[in-house]
Amino acid sequence: NAGVTQTPKFQVLKTGQSMTLQCAQDMNHEYMSWYRQDPGMGLRLIHYSVGAGITDQGEVPNGYNVSRSTTEDFPLRLLSAAPSQTSVYFCASSYSPLAGEAFFGQGTRLTVV
Amino acid sequence: KQEVTQIPAALSVPEGENLVLNCSFTDSAIYNLQWFRQDPGKGLTSLLLIQSSQREQTSGRLNASLDKSSGRSTLYIAASQPGDSATYLCRYSQGGSEKLVFGKGMKLTVNP
Repeated sequence: NAGVTQTPKFQVLKTGQSMTLQCAQDMNHEYMSWYRQDPGMGLRLIHYSVGAGITDQGEVPNGYNVSRSTTEDFPLRLLSAAPSQTSVYFCASSYSPLAGEAFFGQGTRLTVV
Repeated sequence: KQEVTQIPAALSVPEGENLVLNCSFTDSAIYNLQWFRQDPGKGLTSLLLIQSSQREQTSGRLNASLDKSSGRSTLYIAASQPGDSATYLCRYSQGGSEKLVFGKGMKLTVNP
C-alpha cells in the first residue's frame, strides 16, 4: 500500500547544482502535482500534470522543470539551485483534480547553500 | 483569484473541548473540499472529502460540513485529545480549473 512515494527525504545542494526530486504513485492516478511549502506561505503549486505527456505551470514554476512520461512517475527538476529554493517539496496525486481525494507524499526537505 | 482563508492561524485548547475549525473560500462554484492534517515534519494526511453535492461527512470524532452559499466549510472535532495536535489544512477545487487551492492552515495544540 505504497501510495505516493517521494525520494529523497532530505537533500543539501550547493548553489548552481541541479537535481531531480522523484515522485511515484501506484494508484493509477491521472492527476499529479508538485508543491513547495514555506513558513507563512502555505502550499504553493509549482507544476501539475493531468496525464502522461501533459504538464502545465502552477503558481511558482520558475527554476523548475517537469515531465510526465508515465502515469506513475512525475519527477521535478531543479535546473540551477538557488537559496530561494530552500523549502519542503510535496508531491500529490488524485484520480482527477475535481472529483478525487488528493494523496500526498511525505515530502523532500531541500536546503540550498 | 481563488483564495482560501483559515482563521485563526493557531489555536490552543485544553483536552476534552469540542472544536470548530473554519475554512472560507471565495468562489461558490466549488467542486469539492478536502480537509487534511499535517504533523510536524510530515506530509499531509487526508481526513475528509466533501463533494459539492454533499452537506457533510463524518469520520469518527470528525465531522466536516460544507455551505457553498456562504463559502464556508467547518471541521468539527469532538472531545479533543492531545493526539489531535497538528496543523489542519483545507483545500478546494473549482469546476473549470485544474488547480487545487489550499488554505495556509491552522495550528492546533491540545493541552493535557
